[in-house]
Amino acid sequence: DAKTTQPPSMDCAEGRAANLPCNHSTISGNEYVYWYRQIHSQGPQYIIHGLKNNETNEMASLIITEDRKSSTLILPHATLRDTAVYYCIVRPIDSNYQLIWGAGTKLIIKP
Amino acid sequence: GAGVSQSPSNKVTEKGKDVELRCDPISGHTALYWYRQSLGQGLEFLIYFQGNSAPDKSGLPSDRFSAERTGGSVSTLTIQRTQQEDSAVYLCASSIRLAGGGTQYFGPGTRLLVL
Repeated sequence: DAKTTQPPSMDCAEGRAANLPCNHSTISGNEYVYWYRQIHSQGPQYIIHGLKNNETNEMASLIITEDRKSSTLILPHATLRDTAVYYCIVRPIDSNYQLIWGAGTKLIIKP
Repeated sequence: GAGVSQSPSNKVTEKGKDVELRCDPISGHTALYWYRQSLGQGLEFLIYFQGNSAPDKSGLPSDRFSAERTGGSVSTLTIQRTQQEDSAVYLCASSIRLAGGGTQYFGPGTRLLVL
C-alpha cells in the first residue's frame, strides 16, 4: 500500500502558484519524499525529491514540514502544460526498490 | 539515446496469444524496472533488474509473465497466453544508481489491448 495520502483532484488558475499537499505521517528517518507527474498518455516524469530540507529546481519547489509528516509541491507559475496527475512517493534512502504509487492528485490548470 | 524507449507503442492482440514488449534503458543505467498501469490507476511494480544480480520478480502477477535483460541493457517483458485483464499500459524505467536516491526515468509505455 502507498504510504502517502493526496487529494484526488485540484484546480489552479494559469499563472498562479499551484500548491499540492501530501501527507506521509508514517515516514521514517531514512525515507526520501519523491514527486513525479504523469501527463496524459505519457510515462511518469521525475520532478523533485528531498529528505529533510526544502528543495528547489527548475521545475518546482518542495517544502517538507519539520516533523516530516507532510510536504507540499509548489509549481510557482502554473501553465496549461502542467495539467497532469502528480504523485507523492516515499522511498528508503538505501533502496534500489520499486516506487510504490498511490492514486496521485489530478491537477487541472485553468485558463 | 536521450531517454528510455519502448516498443511497440501500441499492441492489440487476441486472448491466448503471447506478446513481447521491449525496453531500451538510458545508456549506462544499471537498474531497470517494469511497471504496469491500468486505466485510471497508479503504477503497479512488476520486476526489477540490477546489474548482474538475480532480478526481483516479486511483482509479477502470474507465471504467464516473465522478463529478461540481455547484456545489462535491453529488456523484454513477455506475457504468455494473454488474458483480457492483462490490458494495461506497461511502463519501463531505468536509474543510474543503486542507492542514495532512486530517480527513475520512464519510457512512454506500451499500451496493450487484449481482445
